[in-house]
Amino acid sequence: GQQLNQSPQSMFIQEGEDVSMNCTSSSIFNTWLWYKQDPGEGPVLLIALYKAGELTSNGRLTAQFGITRKDSFLNISASIPSDVGIYFCAGLDNYGQNFVFGPGTRLSVLP
Amino acid sequence: EAGVTQSPTHLIKTRGQQATLRCSPISGHTSVYWYQQALGLGLQFLLWYDEGEERNRGNFPPRFSGRQFPNYSSELNVNALELEDSALYLCASSFSGGANEQFFGPGTRLTVL
Repeated sequence: GQQLNQSPQSMFIQEGEDVSMNCTSSSIFNTWLWYKQDPGEGPVLLIALYKAGELTSNGRLTAQFGITRKDSFLNISASIPSDVGIYFCAGLDNYGQNFVFGPGTRLSVLP
Repeated sequence: EAGVTQSPTHLIKTRGQQATLRCSPISGHTSVYWYQQALGLGLQFLLWYDEGEERNRGNFPPRFSGRQFPNYSSELNVNALELEDSALYLCASSFSGGANEQFFGPGTRLTVL
């Protein structure tokens, strides 16, 4: 089946720094979702992308739907301690039936 | 507007027992999805229900089963529990069809001793 890769797997950054992470696949995906999960809680939807090339912002978060439809990027500007968590990408499969989730990027923010 | 709710929050069982987890979707959502998240790992898709029918199933043994009720709430049953079934079980809901944005509940932490 279709699979997603996320990089980096984990990252440690200083408070105030910008963060970039991506989600890639060898397959084409329709619709990309980005979620954040705090420890012991359910993922929370951050941004949804529907068209190739689309760039969408939500506060300090910006995500892009790659032109090739095989990748998506999430950037966080001026990181703060509450940005700590696991960021998951999800892509809608070719059949438009199911979302496939990536393995996540674990973000740690150092004061 | 109320989000997705799950019960219980925590569940402790012993090997061989059965566990029942419950989920209530967001009002207006008819699709319910179940995921298993083992400690430190990603989300593994278990089951998708829509309009009372099972629409898709992940790569899990038959002892993982569930159902969706007429009010669109859902139940996940895990029979003959094994130690490796210990995980956070997440429920998500969406408008009808798998192509819509999924919204997650807080999860049920199942511990099998």
